[in-house]
Amino acid sequence: EPEVTQTPSHQVTQMGQEVILRCVPISNHLYFYWYRQILGQKVEFLVSFYNNEISEKSEIFDDQFSVERPDGSNFTLKIRSTKLEDSAMYFCASTLTGANTGELFFGEGSRLTVL
Amino acid sequence: SQQGEEDPQALSIQEGENATMNCSYKTSINNLQWYRQNSGRGLVHLILIRSNEREKHSGRLRVTLDTSKKSSSLLITASRAADTASYFCATVNTGNQFYFGTGTSLTVIP
Repeated sequence: EPEVTQTPSHQVTQMGQEVILRCVPISNHLYFYWYRQILGQKVEFLVSFYNNEISEKSEIFDDQFSVERPDGSNFTLKIRSTKLEDSAMYFCASTLTGANTGELFFGEGSRLTVL
Repeated sequence: SQQGEEDPQALSIQEGENATMNCSYKTSINNLQWYRQNSGRGLVHLILIRSNEREKHSGRLRVTLDTSKKSSSLLITASRAADTASYFCATVNTGNQFYFGTGTSLTVIP
C-alpha cells in the first residue's frame, strides 16, 4: 500500500541551526501539507502546497519556515534558525483530490528536538 | 480559530463499552473527518461525513453531524483495548484546508 515517508525520524539540533525535514508523498497525490504537534497536544496546520506553490499558511509559518518540492517527489520543510519552541513532531501529509473530497494520508512524523 | 474542539479531552472505559466523542467547530464546512492517532505515530483517516449528510457508519464507527449546531460525534461501539488512541476531528472549509481539533484521548481497559 502506498505511504507517505518522512526522514529523519528524529533530529536533535542546537538552537539557531538550520533544519530540513524531508517527505516523500504518495506518488500521484497533488496536495501536500505540513502539520506540527507539540508533545501530546493539538495538531497544528503549518502550510499547504499545490501546483508548486503555497496555497495557504498559518501564523506559525513565519519567515523562518520555507517549503520546497525540488524534484517532483520530495517535499521539504526548512526551518532556517531553530528556536527552542520549534521542538515538536512534524507531520507531512498528502491527498489526491484535495480536502473537499479526499482524506489525508500522514507520514509517521519527524521528531525535532531543539537544545 | 478554525480548529474544532473535541470533548471530552480524555475518556477511559471498559472493554466492550461504547465510547462517544464530540467535536464542535465554528466556521462553515465542506466536510468533517475523523482521524485516529496511536501514541507517537501519524494520524490515520477513519471516516468522512459531508455537510449534507447527517449520519454515517463504518464497521463499529458511527459518525453524526449537526451543521445547525456545528457539532459532530464519533461513536465507537463494543470497544476493544486496541481502540486505545487519540481521536481527532478535522474540519474542511471551502478553502480546501484541513483543520484539526484538540483531540480526545481514549483508553480502553481490558
